[in-house]
Amino acid sequence: RKEVEQDPGPFNVPEGATVAFNCTYSNSASQSFFWYRQDCRKEPKLLMSVYSSGNEDGRFTAQLNRASQYISLLIRDSKLSDSATYLCVVLEGNFNKFYFGSGTKLNVKP
Amino acid sequence: NAGVTQTPKFQVLKTGQSMTLQCAQDMNHNSMYWYRQDPGMGLRLIYYSASEGTTDKGEVPNGYNVSRLNKREFSLRLESAAPSQTSVYFCASSPRGTGVSPLHFGNGTRLTVT
Repeated sequence: RKEVEQDPGPFNVPEGATVAFNCTYSNSASQSFFWYRQDCRKEPKLLMSVYSSGNEDGRFTAQLNRASQYISLLIRDSKLSDSATYLCVVLEGNFNKFYFGSGTKLNVKP
Repeated sequence: NAGVTQTPKFQVLKTGQSMTLQCAQDMNHNSMYWYRQDPGMGLRLIYYSASEGTTDKGEVPNGYNVSRLNKREFSLRLESAAPSQTSVYFCASSPRGTGVSPLHFGNGTRLTVT
């Protein structure tokens, strides 16, 4: 079983739509959680950290559900520029290791 | 504003050749990492260094060696390259410690082994 699992998509949505991605993780001792964005053939870039109480950054909202071991990312009012692959990342604090999901591809269409 | 710098950006090797991928960070981070990314596989950890003077294997260490030269630099060496090592390689660093400590990535090295 993979440490972190994501639906690979692609999610094809029109501009202005709301879209949500989920990610599940297997280690209940995982310490920190992040969403990264990766554009084609470029390095992943931090989109947002995910806090226990949930957090929002503009059009992006992240939630953590420790009981069910999943995190989510909600994007409101999608823009063409949101087209990318979104990576779920989990940090296991004991070993200082970051585990990556395979990514969810989002295509926002005009 | 350099952050994490990787060299080279592109490299083509013949099977059996060796090379070293260089990585340096100027953010005074304690931890450094090497990942490889293959289509459909996501990022997989090759080696990491939790702090200066220590290195540990990740998920896919075979065929690689690393050196944490000092706090800034963490290099990845392929002693005898194989076609299976064709991939995009990312170096990353993290401050580590208390609180939320995300990874910061370099631009990547695109390696082809023929």
